[in-house]
Amino acid sequence: AQSVTQLDSQVPVFEEAPVELRCNYSSSVSVYLFWYVQYPNQGLQLLLKYLSGSTLVKGINGFEAEFNKSQTSFHLRKPSVHISDTAEYFCAVSWGDYKLSFGAGTTVTVRA
Amino acid sequence: EAGVVQSPRYKIIEKKQPVAFWCNPISGHNTLYWYLQNLGQGPELLIRYENEEAVDDSQLPKDRFSAERLKGVDSTLKIQPAELGDSAVYLCASSITGFPDTQYFGPGTRLTVL
Repeated sequence: AQSVTQLDSQVPVFEEAPVELRCNYSSSVSVYLFWYVQYPNQGLQLLLKYLSGSTLVKGINGFEAEFNKSQTSFHLRKPSVHISDTAEYFCAVSWGDYKLSFGAGTTVTVRA
Repeated sequence: EAGVVQSPRYKIIEKKQPVAFWCNPISGHNTLYWYLQNLGQGPELLIRYENEEAVDDSQLPKDRFSAERLKGVDSTLKIQPAELGDSAVYLCASSITGFPDTQYFGPGTRLTVL
């Protein structure tokens, strides 16, 4: 069965430090990859997506992610976080159809 | 532009009672999704509509769950009767057309079944 694994359930980080959120998925055949962010009491918001082309994808709010087909990974990075980046982050994968399979989420807590 | 609107935001009911959730998608969005999000997990698709047609309801527990999308705009998700295990957040999302268009999510309805 297809699966999405977010390797860290919680990531504490200091303000202005870099952060990396890891996402692995089970199969690399025709995947489309997404990262969503969920702020408290809000809906999910798309940060970035990979459909094809360059494996380095830039998104909103200074986030970027890199598609690595050989390692079946799509890790999310930001070089310098702000307090406002405190949120839950979800990796999602589609294996060639419209259905998104989400990971369990990573809670990022940014401390001053 | 208004986002996806859901109501109510919170609902507390006793088991065996019925409950309904309402979703108003972004204007012009033809595709509408209902997701279930259990605590500590990512969303899981329940049903997808293209206009007023339910094109995928394979994950919807049809013994107690039902959904409709009248006139291809607003949608209602119903549970009757509710069980303790239905306590979760119910998310609605919409997109202009189907995949891979970006899905825009509403804030969700948090259901607590006592």
